[in-house]
Amino acid sequence: SFELTQPPSVSVSPGQTASITCSGDKLGDKYACWYQQRPGQSPVLVVCQDNKRPSGIPDRFSGSNSGNTVTLTISGTQAVDESDYYCQAWDSSTGVFGTGTKVTVL
Amino acid sequence: QVQLQESGPGLVKPSETLSLTCTVSGGSISRYFWSWIRQPPGKGLEWIGYIYHTGSTNYNPSLKSRVTVSVDTSKNQFSLKVNSVTAADTAVYYCARLNGDYPGYAFDIWGQGTMVTVSS
Repeated sequence: SFELTQPPSVSVSPGQTASITCSGDKLGDKYACWYQQRPGQSPVLVVCQDNKRPSGIPDRFSGSNSGNTVTLTISGTQAVDESDYYCQAWDSSTGVFGTGTKVTVL
Repeated sequence: QVQLQESGPGLVKPSETLSLTCTVSGGSISRYFWSWIRQPPGKGLEWIGYIYHTGSTNYNPSLKSRVTVSVDTSKNQFSLKVNSVTAADTAVYYCARLNGDYPGYAFDIWGQGTMVTVSS
């Protein structure tokens, strides 16, 4: 079955850039999006691989897709960005979420 | 703006049926797809299934034999039923809107989630 693999954790200093990867078989042929989930809250769509963002999401969140890996980049990371992040894609109309990455802002 | 609200029992006995409803307010249930997603305590997100306002559905193959999603356009609601539940079905259940304005569809609006515990 189709799986999306993310690193369990990423640490970043305030003001620096955080990059979170998500890998899966033939992911380059699919469309992936990223969701932020703060503790005790519902997930929030932050960006998709073509940099399409919902209104209200800061442009420091960007997405890209290369080969079998999609990447979420957070530029100028702030303390409020400390959250869990999940990638998500569709495989033959089946929704699949990544394993999740905890971003810690040190 | 569109808001989603889950409702239903917070406790279900093993082998019984879990039933939840999602009420859509601030907009019509028509045009979009609507989905259920769950998250066991301390774990990641799992997509359960989606429905279109016409009633067309698609389910996660791992849950397909036990899951039914239905829609009531007159009430602007859609619902989830999971049969023969076990402790493994204990999770926070979210309803979400699936927006095709994104090329590959994205869950752009989520409910607050409701915790369902399976226990006798």
